[in-house]
Amino acid sequence: KNEVEQSPQNLTAQEGEFITINCSYSVGISALHWLQQHPGGGIVSLFMLSSGKKKHGRLIATINIQEKHSSLHITASHPRDSAVYICAAPNTGNQFYFGTGTSLTVIP
Amino acid sequence: SQTIHQWPATLVQPVGSPLSLECTVEGTSNPNLYWYRQAAGRGLQLLFYSVGIGQISSEVPQNLSASRPQDRQFILSSKKLLLSDSGFYLCAWSRGARASNQPQHFGDGTRLSIL
Repeated sequence: KNEVEQSPQNLTAQEGEFITINCSYSVGISALHWLQQHPGGGIVSLFMLSSGKKKHGRLIATINIQEKHSSLHITASHPRDSAVYICAAPNTGNQFYFGTGTSLTVIP
Repeated sequence: SQTIHQWPATLVQPVGSPLSLECTVEGTSNPNLYWYRQAAGRGLQLLFYSVGIGQISSEVPQNLSASRPQDRQFILSSKKLLLSDSGFYLCAWSRGARASNQPQHFGDGTRLSIL
């Protein structure tokens, strides 16, 4: 079993739809990270959160530490949101466990 | 501001040839540095990380090696490439000492194809 599980693996949405990507982890963590990998391969860090909710533009990330579960929401999705979204949970050292990613395609 | 440079962007190498990928970070000092590989359709796999000059930790046995000759330089090498070394290689940095509480910043990656 992977330390970090994401669902769904693939997601196709119509432009404007509300999108939810889920992440469950089995390790104890101090903060969970959400990353976005663009079609060209580059990765950017979206959120790092240890409790509650964070919002950045149309992106919202939530975490429930007790249930070891986090969600990434995208409101009013747009084709430029098409990317792979990766959840990452750090271990007690300087390393991370990564989910396999959710490939999102937003159709105009 | 901090920036991370990784090169080359793409590389095609024959089996058995050597490899050297370079990553440099600007605008910060004593960063944690990481090399990841992403095989086609798979998640990120940590290959090496470094918390300081000359300090390298390896996560998986392989024919790759890493070196950190300077504070902000991280090099991924191989003496003889295998077909299974094909993939997308990413360098990343984060602030020390507790990387878990710091975001990771990624380079643009190197797409390596072994023929």
